[in-house]
Amino acid sequence: AQSVTQLDSQVPVFEEAPVELRCNYSSSVSVYLFWYVQYPNQGLQLLLKYLSGSTLVKGINGFEAEFNKSQTSFHLRKPSVHISDTAEYFCAVSDTGGFKTIFGAGTRLFVKA
Amino acid sequence: KAGVTQTPRYLIKTRGQQVTLSCSPISGHRSVSWYQQTPGQGLQFLFEYFSETQRNKGNFPGRFSGRQFSNSRSEMNVSTLELGDSALYLCASSLVGTLDEQYFGPGTRLTVT
Repeated sequence: AQSVTQLDSQVPVFEEAPVELRCNYSSSVSVYLFWYVQYPNQGLQLLLKYLSGSTLVKGINGFEAEFNKSQTSFHLRKPSVHISDTAEYFCAVSDTGGFKTIFGAGTRLFVKA
Repeated sequence: KAGVTQTPRYLIKTRGQQVTLSCSPISGHRSVSWYQQTPGQGLQFLFEYFSETQRNKGNFPGRFSGRQFSNSRSEMNVSTLELGDSALYLCASSLVGTLDEQYFGPGTRLTVT
């Protein structure tokens, strides 16, 4: 069975500081990983995804994530955050067939001025 | 192009009633997934449909059901509503499955009293 653990429920950070949101997964088969963002009162939006290839994945809005198979992690990073990055971020894993996505509990990123 | 639309946006029902929620995917998308989002449980996968066939189902009781029509529009139904069914129900569409980018609708907020 697949599962996703987001290690931090809330991450406060000052504007222009770097941030890392941590995600660990477990899966007995090939892994397909995603990060989604949810702004207040909106649906989710894809930030980036890893299906295969380079372990460093670049996404929208300056975010990137690194797939680490040995540590079963897929941490999300941004070198300098903005107030507008305040949102909830979800790490997710899909099954091989693409029939089901399991989401983590979410990390609320709060960017302070 | 138009995004994923969900109707209604808000619903208030009483225990024991049933409810039907509707989702219209992005034109050309054939896969539709449904999720339940609550503060305590986060985002939980309900089911996924492709070409009118349910390909996967989450761990929800049989009171939760769904279907997909030939135009890819999807409905989900919850019978014999319980207080714990109060949640935001999100629909997401993608081209052929969850390995593609999922586009989320704004959700239907269901309140059971």
